[in-house]
Amino acid sequence: QAILTQPSSVSASPGASASLTCTLRSGVNVVVFHIYWFRQKPGSPPQFLLRYNSDSDTQQGSGVPSRFSGSKDASANAGLLLISGLQSDDEADYYCMIWRNSAWVFGGGTKLTVL
Amino acid sequence: VQVVESGGGLVQPGGSLRLSCATSGFSVSRQFMSWVRRAPGKGLEWVSVIYSGGGSDYADSVKGRFTITRDTTKNTVSLQMTSLTAEDTGVYFCVRAMEDWGQGTQVTVSP
Repeated sequence: QAILTQPSSVSASPGASASLTCTLRSGVNVVVFHIYWFRQKPGSPPQFLLRYNSDSDTQQGSGVPSRFSGSKDASANAGLLLISGLQSDDEADYYCMIWRNSAWVFGGGTKLTVL
Repeated sequence: VQVVESGGGLVQPGGSLRLSCATSGFSVSRQFMSWVRRAPGKGLEWVSVIYSGGGSDYADSVKGRFTITRDTTKNTVSLQMTSLTAEDTGVYFCVRAMEDWGQGTQVTVSP
């Protein structure tokens, strides 16, 4: 079982909000990890969006608007990327990542479609 | 901050390739630098990291075949890749502290 699991695709309407999940494998407790989020559009390199550990310990990427935010759901053992005011330009692949056992671990990615 | 990769290309299975990452706007001796790749049709995969102290780590998939180094005088980072297989094909990105990404360089392993 993968350490980080993301839904392969998510769809939402322009102007709406989307919540992308990153579920940690059982036994890998989301509470202790900083969750990193990236997005990649076709033909472009990945872009760092934010790092989230708690509401008082979070870092926004350079130039990333505040409509992108992070959260954790301890009951679901998951990290969340919340995107409000969806725009067509938000269509991309989104990846979560953690640092664990001297290695960076990526989730499989979620393709966000805005339609 | 700028990160620019070079050195990608077409190489036969079993061959070697050396990727370079030129940087500006910061010192590689004060940051950790990583290589991340994306294979065709797949997601991002972390490959290797070199820490500010000079130590390094590798993904299990490349351990023993890839070596990451840096030249603090030139402010560059390199990835020496050996015993390449088709599974190493992809775009390789050099990344500063997992925040600033280069445009990537294509590596294709094919007969």
